[in-house]
Amino acid sequence: DVKVTQSSRYLVKRTGEKVFLECVQDMDHENMFWYRQDPGLGLRLIYFSYDVKMKEKGDIPEGYSVSREKKERFSLILESASTNQTSMYLCASSFLAAGRQYFGPGTRLTVT
Amino acid sequence: GIQVEQSPPDLILQEGANSTLRCNFSDSVNNLQWFHQNPWGQLINLFYIPSGTKQNGRLSATTVATERYSLLYISSSQTTDSGVYFCAVDGETSGSRLTFGEGTQLTVNP
Repeated sequence: DVKVTQSSRYLVKRTGEKVFLECVQDMDHENMFWYRQDPGLGLRLIYFSYDVKMKEKGDIPEGYSVSREKKERFSLILESASTNQTSMYLCASSFLAAGRQYFGPGTRLTVT
Repeated sequence: GIQVEQSPPDLILQEGANSTLRCNFSDSVNNLQWFHQNPWGQLINLFYIPSGTKQNGRLSATTVATERYSLLYISSSQTTDSGVYFCAVDGETSGSRLTFGEGTQLTVNP
């Protein structure tokens, strides 16, 4: 079975802090994705990566950056957290770019 | 971009009942996936189904790509089926990005 893990289930940070969310997959997948999920807005794609050191902007990249130094790990970075970044963050991976996506358990981030 | 509409938005069932969830999409797609999000937030991939019919236990899905819709059938529902069901599509012009519907909130009562 594919396993996607995220570094924290719950996280509380203060406005202005730099925040790192980590995602690791164990299936040698080429593609990894970061989404955020908000009530009434559904799941929205922030960034994705189709190879090591490669990244593509999704629909809502503003205020975020990403890093993919190793194939199995994809990090989402909030350079200066703001309250409007309070959300559920979900990481996913897939073997093919348009392939079946497998999700991690999610990180519920609160920025105060 | 491609539009994805799911219906109904909410559904309440008694344990043992059957149900059908629908997903309509506005353009041609490369693939379509159904997910279940449990009450703890975990999204589980149920089906990868760009066309045709697939079955997995009590769940089955059918996608009619030419008519731009997909159906998810849940038979003999159980309380553990509760949660939100999402349909997500990769449109032919989407660049391999999934667009998610708003979801159907399913509650199965004992």
